[in-house]
Amino acid sequence: GENVEQHPSTLSVQEGDSAVIKCTYSDSASNYFPWYKQELGKGPQLIIDIRSNVGEKKDQRIAVTLNKTAKHFSLHITETQPEDSAVYFCAASKNTGKLIFGQGTTLQVKP
Amino acid sequence: EAQVTQNPRYLITVTGKKLTVTCSQNMNHEYMSWYRQDPGLGLRQIYYSMNVEVTDKGDVPEGYKVSRKEKRNFPLILESPSPNQTSLYFCASSFSGGNTEAFFGQGTRLTVV
Repeated sequence: GENVEQHPSTLSVQEGDSAVIKCTYSDSASNYFPWYKQELGKGPQLIIDIRSNVGEKKDQRIAVTLNKTAKHFSLHITETQPEDSAVYFCAASKNTGKLIFGQGTTLQVKP
Repeated sequence: EAQVTQNPRYLITVTGKKLTVTCSQNMNHEYMSWYRQDPGLGLRQIYYSMNVEVTDKGDVPEGYKVSRKEKRNFPLILESPSPNQTSLYFCASSFSGGNTEAFFGQGTRLTVV
């Protein structure tokens, strides 16, 4: 069945460094790839998304890249800050189908 | 303010005692879904609804029921909870399914003893 694998499960970086989280998906028909951030005690919140007709998208310090051939997509956070500490989820879907989530990455940014 | 509201936030119950977790959204979204979050497993979909009176199973529907009698409400029902249903539950809504932004509730931490 459809599957999304996310790595790493935990990531610790120093404030100001970059962080990269990677996901692979199994269904080549997937065409929508959102990233969600979950802060402690809260529900996930969309931070950036990309569709299959685009290879890269940026929004200030965060960017997402998509490689459709390899079925990979990645989240890049530059100049990390303590408030970036959270759990991050990637997801994939096709058309109006359901979102398939990755296992999550706990990011810790050390001051 | 656009939001998805779940209640209760925390619940401890005993095996076999029926319970309902409520979910309401104020964005007039057609698509609503329930997820459970377990360590190392991410978010797994339990049930979803594409519109009023239209519901379908997600990936882990066993032991759960849902209903969609009104567009804004999508309650999750556990008829006979068991300890393996101890989890963190999230309700979410979106305009039209998996390819639009999903708005999540604050979560319900359920413990079944």
